Amino acid sequence: QVQLVQSGAEVKKPGASVKVSCKASGYTFTSYYMHWVRQAPGQGLEWMGIINPSGGSTTYAQKFQGRVTMTRDTSTSTVYMELSSLRSEDTAVYYCARMSGYYYNPRYDYWGQGTLVTVSS
Amino acid sequence: QSVLTQPPSVSGAPGQRVTISCTGNSSNIGAGYDVHWYQQLPGTAPKLLIYGNNNRPSGVPDRFSGSKSGTSASLAITGLQAEDEADYYCQSYDSSLSGSGFGGGTKLTVL
Repeated sequence: QVQLVQSGAEVKKPGASVKVSCKASGYTFTSYYMHWVRQAPGQGLEWMGIINPSGGSTTYAQKFQGRVTMTRDTSTSTVYMELSSLRSEDTAVYYCARMSGYYYNPRYDYWGQGTLVTVSS
Repeated sequence: QSVLTQPPSVSGAPGQRVTISCTGNSSNIGAGYDVHWYQQLPGTAPKLLIYGNNNRPSGVPDRFSGSKSGTSASLAITGLQAEDEADYYCQSYDSSLSGSGFGGGTKLTVL
């Protein structure tokens, strides 16, 4: 069965960086794009970007350009999302989500359990 | 500010029918991109509920249905049950974002 297992909760100080991992299993890792979506406390969902696990190409939401880096390790079927220059507004649950459908018509059929990142001095 | 607009809350009694609207523009729903719906129970990750405007993944009861017209879409839930109490989100590709846009979410309360 398809599983996306994310790394544990993190507490970071403003200005620091955080790297969240998402380990995939139960399917061919390189056959499905992976997206990252975040959810601030009590708020809605916000798309952050996409990575192609096959070639490693990425597209980031303009809001996060310059601060986010998505990478993958095909040997462990793991994708990573690193967010730098953290501020309090980045406090959120970060999800990886497997994309099905098409690049210009994405939907998310499997989600990780979420990783809470808390930014506080 | 969310890309797609949803009502913050809706409510209904058990057994009733409720609908949740999702309004977009010419960069997303109006451009012909599909609308997908997710259900998020408290403390859990979202779950795909409706895809491609009106299709249900395996295991989703037929009490849930979706529709799309012009720049808007709707999720309908019939025969409301207590377990349907959750947050619901619509999602569509947005060409101005070059990625996914979500609605702000609608909290469904079963009275």
